[in-house]
Amino acid sequence: SQTIHQWPATLVQPVGSPLSLECTVEGTSNPNLYWYRQAAGRGLQLLFYSVGIGQISSEVPQNLSASRPQDRQFILSSKKLLLSDSGFYLCASLQFAGGSNYGYTFGSGTRLTVV
Amino acid sequence: KQEVTQIPAALSVPEGENLVLNCSFTDSAIYNLQWFRQDPGKGLTSLLLIQSSQREQTSGRLNASLDKSSGRSTLYIAASQPGDSATYLCAVSGGYQKVTFGIGTKLQVIP
Repeated sequence: SQTIHQWPATLVQPVGSPLSLECTVEGTSNPNLYWYRQAAGRGLQLLFYSVGIGQISSEVPQNLSASRPQDRQFILSSKKLLLSDSGFYLCASLQFAGGSNYGYTFGSGTRLTVV
Repeated sequence: KQEVTQIPAALSVPEGENLVLNCSFTDSAIYNLQWFRQDPGKGLTSLLLIQSSQREQTSGRLNASLDKSSGRSTLYIAASQPGDSATYLCAVSGGYQKVTFGIGTKLQVIP
């Protein structure tokens, strides 16, 4: 089974500072990887997904970017944080084989507060 | 565009009660449906995954059903316990990238 490591667990950053959140996956190869943001009282918003190394798709135009330098590594970045970037960020991996989707596995999340 | 609704938004029940959480979706052309549990400040833990060809899945005290034609899924929790208190989310997958989440049902089981 897969395990997703996500760090840091909490982060407080000033407005205008850079951001780097990292996610690594164990127990699978060539997964689809996702970054979601969850705001209080709202559903999960898909930010980016990747189907392979160097392949990034953005779902929402915003102040953030993503990169996938290795098969099981997914990074969320920002050059200058905004107050509106505060939220709970979740990395997820989608397990599939033979054309079948075996569901998501999520990391433990990063609580980002921009002050 | 797929829309996923979970009712009720919050639920409080006494310990030992059996309960049902509901998830409805607007587009029946789904790949699968997944139920998650989320504890406060934590990530999502997968509970059950139902493929589109299946009617239900069971794990311990949990049973999830899927009725694609009516666009509904239910999560049944038997003999609820205080440790079941959490937010329960359903996610509907229309393919590898097209997954839509509900906002969740916040469950409180009172000892």
